[in-house]
Formats: sequence, C-alpha cells, structure tokens
Amino acid sequence: DAGVTQSPTHLIKTRGQQVTLRCSPKSGHDTVSWYQQALGQGPQFIFQYYEEEERQRGNFPDRFSGHQFPNYSSELNVNALLLGDSALYLCASSLSRQGIYSNQPQHFGDGTRLSIL
Amino acid sequence: QKEVEQNSGPLSVPEGAIASLNCTYSDRGSQSFFWYRQYSGKSPELIMFIYSNGDKEDGRFTAQLNKASQYVSLLIRDSQPSDSATYLCAAQGPWTGTASKLTFGTGTRLQVTL
Repeated sequence: DAGVTQSPTHLIKTRGQQVTLRCSPKSGHDTVSWYQQALGQGPQFIFQYYEEEERQRGNFPDRFSGHQFPNYSSELNVNALLLGDSALYLCASSLSRQGIYSNQPQHFGDGTRLSIL
Repeated sequence: QKEVEQNSGPLSVPEGAIASLNCTYSDRGSQSFFWYRQYSGKSPELIMFIYSNGDKEDGRFTAQLNKASQYVSLLIRDSQPSDSATYLCAAQGPWTGTASKLTFGTGTRLQVTL
C-alpha cells in the first residue's frame, strides 16, 4: 500500500525563481493538503484540494498556488521565491466524504526541503 | 494568542517512565485532535487521534481530550529511547462545509534518557 509520495526530496533555488513541488496521495485518498514547516516550528496550513478545487486556504500570499489532477495528485507552485520561503514543504492526504464532516486523519509524505539562496 | 499551544520542552524522562505531553487549543469549533511524532529531519507520523471527550488507548499510548477545558494530552507509558522525538499536537476544524484544516502547535521535544 503506497503511502504519500513527494518529489523532489531536496531543491535549491535562488530568490525570484519559481518552483513546482509534486505529491501523490496515499492509495484510496482523494484530498490533498499542503503545509509549510519552518525550522523549529509546527507545520503551517497552505491550502487543501478536493475534487480538483481549492477548498480552503491558509494565510499565504497569492505567490503560492496549487492544482489537483483527476488522479488526485497535486502540485504546489511558488512564484517569486523569497529567502523566507526556505522550509520543509509537506503534502498530506486524507479521505473526504462530500458534504459530510470528515475527521479522517491526514497522512504526510516525506516532504520536500526547499532552500533559497 | 496561538491557536494551539504546547510547551516546547525539552521534556526529559528516564527509560521506562511515563511521559506526559500537553496541548491546549483556543478555537472551540475544533472537533478532532491528532498527535504526530516527528523525528529530526523527517516528516510527521500519525500516532493517535481522538474525537470524543475521555481517554483513548492504543498500545503504550493514551490520548485524553477535555473539550470543556480545551485540553488534549498524550501519555506514553514505558518510554523508550526510540520515543525521543518532537510530538506535534494538531486540531482540526472548524468544518467549513467542504474542508477543515489542521492547526499545529510548535511541538514538544521529548528526550528519553537511559
């Protein structure tokens, strides 16, 4: 049973560049959430995708955008990179039930460590 | 005021002892609570989740929830050196009708000493 997979594992970029991170959810899951974790901090919610739509967004600027594909996989795009964007980016997947509160746990991938020079 | 608060630690306990990790949350709309373990340089790993007031046990782990006091705790019995990690408390909700995010605390670092 494949878990959540993320690529790439590590990435080094310079200020002003753009980056795309990828995530494949755990088998059977249909919802993908993205989090940013700075060193020494807890993960911060960026946004959540379900049925190819952004369903909820955290306090992140429009430079952060995403997409979900019909096979439930997802991408996180960050434009105009800043030094402060250096962090571990985590993808989490879960199973939702449309229209019904879902308390299904979110399972995390190994993350992408992004360093901005 | 942070939405989910945890003591950053480190919490040091001897091997075989009970480790008690605590968490408080501010949003009364939060409905579900999760404990994740995170080893240094790794991603969070789900340990326990609890939805209802009271205790929930799974092996050496017990999660406790008191919604009136807005308090969640995790007990680890017979602590082992391999339990040394950062433990993240997360609250889910409130439900927007289509989604509910996880809000994390900053984590408590647990050190189990020999």
